[in-house]
This record gives sequence, structure tokens and C-alpha cells, in this order.
Amino acid sequence: KAGVTQTPRYLIKTRGQQVTLSCSPISGHRSVSWYQQTPGQGLQFLFEYFSETQRNKGNFPGRFSGRQFSNSRSEMNVSTLELGDSALYLCASSISGTRSYEQYFGPGTRLTVT
Amino acid sequence: LAKTTQPISMDSYEGQEVNITCSHNNIATNDYITWYQQFPSQGPRFIIQGYKTKVTNEVASLFIPADRKSSTLSLPRVSLSDTAVYYCLVGAFVSGSARQLTFGSGTQLTVLP
Repeated sequence: KAGVTQTPRYLIKTRGQQVTLSCSPISGHRSVSWYQQTPGQGLQFLFEYFSETQRNKGNFPGRFSGRQFSNSRSEMNVSTLELGDSALYLCASSISGTRSYEQYFGPGTRLTVT
Repeated sequence: LAKTTQPISMDSYEGQEVNITCSHNNIATNDYITWYQQFPSQGPRFIIQGYKTKVTNEVASLFIPADRKSSTLSLPRVSLSDTAVYYCLVGAFVSGSARQLTFGSGTQLTVLP
């Protein structure tokens, strides 16, 4: 069974631009979560989607948004990029959106904002 | 907000047992405690998950006390390939039914020959 895939793997953007990252979960997984990882802040939860609905949201500004499609694929969007948005963005999928957090992570998208 | 804390780093020698503890003082009543392993340039990899008492699988054990405010990941007989960063993950209620997933800060385990 194919793992979680994320595209693109690397991205360089300029301050003020916007970016869209894509995540394809493992087949049959209906829950997708997004995380931001930086050396200073570690792994931080962005949001979780289950059956096309946002179930949970972390403490990030409204510039960070996401959505999930009927085939469980998910996208996240960051508008008006800031230098501090440079990070590794990780997507994780799981079978369901229950309180069990056995998630499978993708390799991440490395975003650099200049 | 929930606060999840782990030791920053630990060193061990090959063949020894390693115990890494995570404190999570605001865990949600029905949430599970999950541990992940991460190697450089890779996404975290699921190791083990539990709700209470003790859970064991082929690679690790997880000990959770009755109050569930902490958990200990136990790696038996570590090898050089176990050198990685280990994270605990818990869910905590923020307000109402909204839940926030909180990773610990991670523990860099270095296994020495």
C-alpha cells in the first residue's frame, strides 16, 4: 500500500506570496492532519480534517487554511507569506478521526520564504 | 493550553534499555498517548500507543500511570539505528469539544557503541 505523499517536496517563495501544499493520504484513510516543524518551535499542530470537515485547529493565524476533498486528499494554503513561515510542513493520515493518534506521516514539504 | 514536556536529550550504549518520560498535565479524558520516532529528513514514524497501564509491541513498551499525567516509552536493548528524536503526542481539550494535538518537544536519543 502506498504511503502518504506530499507535493511539492521543496518550495521557495517570496514574502507576501501565497502557497498551496498538497497531501495524498494512504488509501482508506479519512483523517488528514497538518503540522509545522521548525528547529525553534518543534512540531506544531495546524489542523485536522475528517470527511471534508475541519475537526480541530491549532493556534495559527488565519493566513493558514486547509481543505479536504471527497477522495480524502488535502491541501493547505498559506497566504501573505512571512519569513517565519519557513519550515517543514508535514501531513499525516489515519484511518479515522477518533482519539487514537496512530498516524502515518509523509516526507514533508520544505518551504523556504525569502 | 496543554503543556507536554520531555527531556531534551539522552545518551545510551548499545544493548541497554532506554526509558524516555513525557509529562502531559492536561490530557483529555479519553485521548490516547502516542509516541513517534523521527530520523533526519523524514516524517515521524509511529512507534506505540496506549490509554492506560502498560502496552507492549515488538519494538517498545509504554507505561502509563493511573492519573495518566505522564507516560514512559521503554526501548529494550537499543542499537545504533535507534539514534533518533522521539516525540510523545497527546490530545488536550482547549475549550468545549475543540481539541488540540500537542507534540512534546522531542528527546534526542543518541546510542553509543
